[in-house]
Amino acid sequence: EVQLVESGGGLVQPKGSLKLSCAASGFDFNSYGMSWVRQAPGKGLDLVADISSKSYNYATYYADSVKDRFTISRDDSQSMVYLQMDNLKTEDTALYYCTAFAYWGQGTLVTVSS
Amino acid sequence: DVVLTQTPVSLLISLGGQASISCRSSQSLVHSNGNTYLHWYLQKPGQSPQLLIYQVSNRFSGIPDRFSGSGSGTDFTLKISRVEPEDLGVYYCLQRTHNPWTFGGGTKLELK
Repeated sequence: EVQLVESGGGLVQPKGSLKLSCAASGFDFNSYGMSWVRQAPGKGLDLVADISSKSYNYATYYADSVKDRFTISRDDSQSMVYLQMDNLKTEDTALYYCTAFAYWGQGTLVTVSS
Repeated sequence: DVVLTQTPVSLLISLGGQASISCRSSQSLVHSNGNTYLHWYLQKPGQSPQLLIYQVSNRFSGIPDRFSGSGSGTDFTLKISRVEPEDLGVYYCLQRTHNPWTFGGGTKLELK
């Protein structure tokens, strides 16, 4: 059974930091590009960051809104993907999903508020 | 970035009826390798998105044949026949032909 389990969300003050983690199992993790997609309350889906597989040299992509603040990484030996979020802003408040195209986690909620 | 415009924004359908959702792209979604990476997802209330259709017209594992995708270039359509209660939610198209990949704004399917 494919599973993607996110963790690390929570309440943080503006300018604070959080690190999200995603544990993957049940599929060939090493062959998949992995992404973080967020959904603000009542809104649609937005790609936040993406990291390719080793075959594509672990290339990364960041949405303009998070560039220079967020860092995506992966550990293929542990089937984990991470999102380090620094200098958080109130507009980063959202449910953050870890996804491998066909497979999605249940999301972890990040709330940025003073 | 590629903009995907979904219409309608909301759709009222009777049980057993047929729904049609359009997804139009600001540029062609045909990749240089000849494939078209336009996909459809359904997000049921309180759940994460689930893949329905990949590469325009291929049903993902376990997706009933009531769901069908079609289209080419910049115009794509998702059709749902014989709508059932479990089909309700928000449908999104997603393109992965061009970086960054982008989602449509969503179409909410509700019961009439």
